[in-house]
Amino acid sequence: DAGVTQSPTHLIKTRGQQVTLRCSPKSGHDTVSWYQQALGQGPQFIFQYYEEEERQRGNFPDRFSGHQFPNYSSELNVNALLLGDSALYLCASSLAYEQFFGPGTRLTVL
Amino acid sequence: DQQVKQNSPSLSVQEGRISILNCDYTNSMFDYFLWYKKYPAEGPTFLISISSIKDKNEDGRFTVFLNKSAKHLSLHIVPSQPGDSAVYFCAASFRDDMRFGAGTRLTVKP
Repeated sequence: DAGVTQSPTHLIKTRGQQVTLRCSPKSGHDTVSWYQQALGQGPQFIFQYYEEEERQRGNFPDRFSGHQFPNYSSELNVNALLLGDSALYLCASSLAYEQFFGPGTRLTVL
Repeated sequence: DQQVKQNSPSLSVQEGRISILNCDYTNSMFDYFLWYKKYPAEGPTFLISISSIKDKNEDGRFTVFLNKSAKHLSLHIVPSQPGDSAVYFCAASFRDDMRFGAGTRLTVKP
């Protein structure tokens, strides 16, 4: 079992660009959550997907959108990137309360 | 909106001694609490959890205590080992809403 995988590992973008991050959940998990972790802070909840629908959303602007595919994998899209979007983006999959995290994608916006 | 707080950004203990990491929360609706450990370049890894109907949960060297009236939980590691050196995140959840603290960096010195 590969666990939760994320791609790419690192990404550098410039302001105004768009980015897509990808996540494959742990085998058997049907729920995927996305978090943003800024330097020195804990993970901040962006949104959660279940059965291909956004089930819950944190306090993030509409520039942040996502998708879940029939195989439960998920994408996080961020439009009109800002410098403040630079962070580690974590994906977590779950069946119940316990979430399993991927290694994250480090996004740098210049 | 910091509903989960870890007021100590860092903690240093001697190998073999007890490590106590603290966490406070403000939302009385939270009914499940978790601790995650994070090494550099990896995603957070689930460590131990506790339901709000309990006040203690033990797993080997790790014990989590919950004081609902004080809205406080703590993680005890006994005995501490150098391999425990990592950032520890406290998380609290209600249904699908999970909030994380900012983390405490634990250093266990040989």
